[in-house]
Amino acid sequence: NAGVMQNPRHLVRRRGQEARLRCSPMKGHSHVYWYRQLPEEGLKFMVYLQKENIIDESGMPKERFSAEFPKEGPSILRIQQVVRGDSAAYFCASSPTEGGRGNTIYFGEGSWLTVV
Amino acid sequence: GNSVTQMEGPVTLSEEAFLTINCTYTATGYPSLFWYVQYPGEGLQLLLKATKADDKGSNKGFEATYRKETTSFHLEKGSVQVSDSAVYFCALYSGTYKYIFGTGTRLKVLA
Repeated sequence: NAGVMQNPRHLVRRRGQEARLRCSPMKGHSHVYWYRQLPEEGLKFMVYLQKENIIDESGMPKERFSAEFPKEGPSILRIQQVVRGDSAAYFCASSPTEGGRGNTIYFGEGSWLTVV
Repeated sequence: GNSVTQMEGPVTLSEEAFLTINCTYTATGYPSLFWYVQYPGEGLQLLLKATKADDKGSNKGFEATYRKETTSFHLEKGSVQVSDSAVYFCALYSGTYKYIFGTGTRLKVLA
């Protein structure tokens, strides 16, 4: 059973460009979470999605950031007009149900975004 | 609100030394507690977890006990190896699908 797949693993963008990060959850998982890890910091929750629905985006910056999880295909985290402060590792995680007591969410290997 | 506090690193140890990385938490109710490990340039891997008070999670020689009275979940290993060098994250899940992570503790083990 393949794990959570993220791509690209590394992405370099110039200021003002768009970044698109993809996440394919584990087979049978319909719940996807995105977390951001800024340099030398822990992971911070960004958004929680189920198929075709955004359940909670309270951790997403209000502008330039959006996420989707379509009926078919991977979840996409999109960052428009990137700035240097967006440079971070973006981790996707998935679970078979909404993370319940004792449930574990499974992380992908992350996408490292560098804005130059 | 819920929070996790980890001891700051880096922690530098010689091979075969005893490791303790402190983690305390603040949460309402009865959270589940986790330790994740991140090797350089890689994602997070679940190391161990505990879902209720007095539970002990263990894996690869690491262990941690869920102590409700002290709201702690300290990570320990009796004899570290160079290959244990990584960043270790303590995390809490309290039932609202948001995992709360500590800031991570970098461990460096010298041969």
